[in-house]
Amino acid sequence: KAGVTQTPRYLIKTRGQQVTLSCSPISGHRSVSWYQQTPGQGLQFLFEYFSETQRNKGNFPGRFSGRQFSNSRSEMNVSTLELGDSALYLCASSPDPDRYEAFFGQGTRLTVV
Amino acid sequence: GESVGLHLPTLSVQEGDNSIINCAYSNSASDYFIWYKQESGKGPQFIIDIRSNMDKRQGQRVTVLLNKTVKHLSLQIAATQPGDSAVYFCAEKKGSSNTGKLIFGQGTTLQVKP
Repeated sequence: KAGVTQTPRYLIKTRGQQVTLSCSPISGHRSVSWYQQTPGQGLQFLFEYFSETQRNKGNFPGRFSGRQFSNSRSEMNVSTLELGDSALYLCASSPDPDRYEAFFGQGTRLTVV
Repeated sequence: GESVGLHLPTLSVQEGDNSIINCAYSNSASDYFIWYKQESGKGPQFIIDIRSNMDKRQGQRVTVLLNKTVKHLSLQIAATQPGDSAVYFCAEKKGSSNTGKLIFGQGTTLQVKP
């Protein structure tokens, strides 16, 4: 069974631009969560989607948004990029939100210059 | 506030020795605690979890202990191998709130000396 797939793996953007990251969960998994990982703040929860609905949102500004499609694939978007948005963005999938096992993808490394 | 913390940022052990990685948490409403291993360039990998109604759980070469009295979680790795070198994160999940949100600690880097 294929794991969680995130694309692209690496991305370089300029301040002020916007970016869209993609996540394909494990087949059959309907819950997708996004996390931001930085050396200073560690792993921080961004948002969670289940059945195309955002169920939970972390403490991030409105520039960070996401969505989930009917096939459970998810995208997250960051608008008006800032230098501090440089991070590893991780996607995790699970069969449903109440299952504790979350399987992570390899992440997208975003660098804002 | 909510936080999950690890006691030591770096732990260095000799190959073959046992490793113990500790974690302190502040929120007693958690339903599950999970340990993840993250190798360089990869996403976190699930190692083992424990429910809040348990105090010990064993896996292959790993044991997780939960002490709810002092809000302490530990991961024990037996006969540590070079392949165990990675960053280890503890995380908590509030299953009772019907959400998949995980709250992660800062991580401990395990270095295994040959």
